[in-house]
Amino acid sequence: GAVVSQHPSRVICKSGTSVKIECRSLDFQATTMFWYRQFPKKSLMLMATSNEGSKATYEQGVEKDKFLINHASLTLSTLTVTSAHPEDSSFYICSALAGGSGYEQFFGPGTRLTVL
Amino acid sequence: RKEVEQDPGPFNVPEGATVAFNCTYSNSASQSFFWYRQDCRKEPKLLMSVYSSGNEDGRFTAQLNRASQYISLLIRDSKLSDSATYLCVVGEGGKLIFGQGTTLQVKP
Repeated sequence: GAVVSQHPSRVICKSGTSVKIECRSLDFQATTMFWYRQFPKKSLMLMATSNEGSKATYEQGVEKDKFLINHASLTLSTLTVTSAHPEDSSFYICSALAGGSGYEQFFGPGTRLTVL
Repeated sequence: RKEVEQDPGPFNVPEGATVAFNCTYSNSASQSFFWYRQDCRKEPKLLMSVYSSGNEDGRFTAQLNRASQYISLLIRDSKLSDSATYLCVVGEGGKLIFGQGTTLQVKP
């Protein structure tokens, strides 16, 4: 199947710093990528839909100025958590929609963010 | 009301047992349905799509009842390696809506 990578896999940072997470589709082009977050024992919650060459579409309640998304190419989307605080500590997962696959999204391995 | 509801469990079963998970969804306009498997601290992986006609993949059988807005997953002859969290997922307008997941622990 299609492969999606995320980097870094784990990050620990101080409160107030910004953290960038990269999501790459390795063997296919993805015009659409999705960003999710997951708290312990909770479901994945969609944060935003990232479309190559256009602005991301954010879900209700997600601050676009805090979670900056850039989808500059067909294989790369980035999520930047600006001025991170401890409540932003979570598991962030991206997925990519492969052309012609219908609804199947291929998920990256996730990034575990811990803000001290 | 949550859009996709599942009993979080955990379900503790012995090897070889048959176990069934259920899920309900709130939006009657939902277009596609899936079961994903998620291991601890890992990303979810597609287990199978779910169709109204029902579908089977080895020991796994999924059913969809659109009238009742109900999805099920049956696992026969449970293996230790089946221990994981099973996520009921509904597709709407190009997005995936995830349930909280049901945790399965298969014991020797």
